Amino acid sequence: TQTVSQSDAHVTVFEGDSVELRCNYSYGGSIYLSWYIQHHGHGLQFLLKYYSGNPVVQGVNGFEAEFSKSDSSFHLRKASVHWSDSAVYFCAVSQNTGYQNFYFGKGTSLTVIP
Amino acid sequence: EAAVTQSPRNKVAVTGGKVTLSCNQTNNHNNMYWYRQDTGHGLRLIHYSYGAGSTEKGDIPDGYKASRPSQENFSLILELATPSQTSVYFCASGDALSSAETLYFGSGTRLTVL
Repeated sequence: TQTVSQSDAHVTVFEGDSVELRCNYSYGGSIYLSWYIQHHGHGLQFLLKYYSGNPVVQGVNGFEAEFSKSDSSFHLRKASVHWSDSAVYFCAVSQNTGYQNFYFGKGTSLTVIP
Repeated sequence: EAAVTQSPRNKVAVTGGKVTLSCNQTNNHNNMYWYRQDTGHGLRLIHYSYGAGSTEKGDIPDGYKASRPSQENFSLILELATPSQTSVYFCASGDALSSAETLYFGSGTRLTVL
């Protein structure tokens, strides 16, 4: 069974600050990792994903994430946050074995103070 | 643009009643998923489908049935609703042709079972 751990339930920063949202996973096979964002009252929206190649992947709206096999991590970063980035962020790990079951972390709620 | 539409947005049901949650996607995706989202648990997979006529059990299928009558539609059925099924339910579609699938979510259905 795969597990996804997001160590911070809540993160609060000021507008213009940088932020890193942490994600660690446990799985020994071939996987891919992704981040989704959920604004209040809405469904999840895709941000970015890593499957292979360059471990740093760029997503929408200035987000990037870096995959580290040695650390079993896929942390999400943004250099300068905006108040509209306030949302819940979910890390997910999945595998391609006929069907692609996504295992989601419990989410990190990001609050950006204007 | 990819679109997943869920109905109803909100539903109040009585214990022992039958509830049907509907999902329609215009993405022409083969895979469709039903998740529930609860505080402290993140998203958990209930049922999924590879295509019209197929339904498979996810991680927490007990008390739920699913139906995929067509490529576009995927329903979640609670034959005998219980208060423990009070939750927010999300439907998603995914492109099985991609080696690293991206999920497209609906806006969710908030179900309250009294």
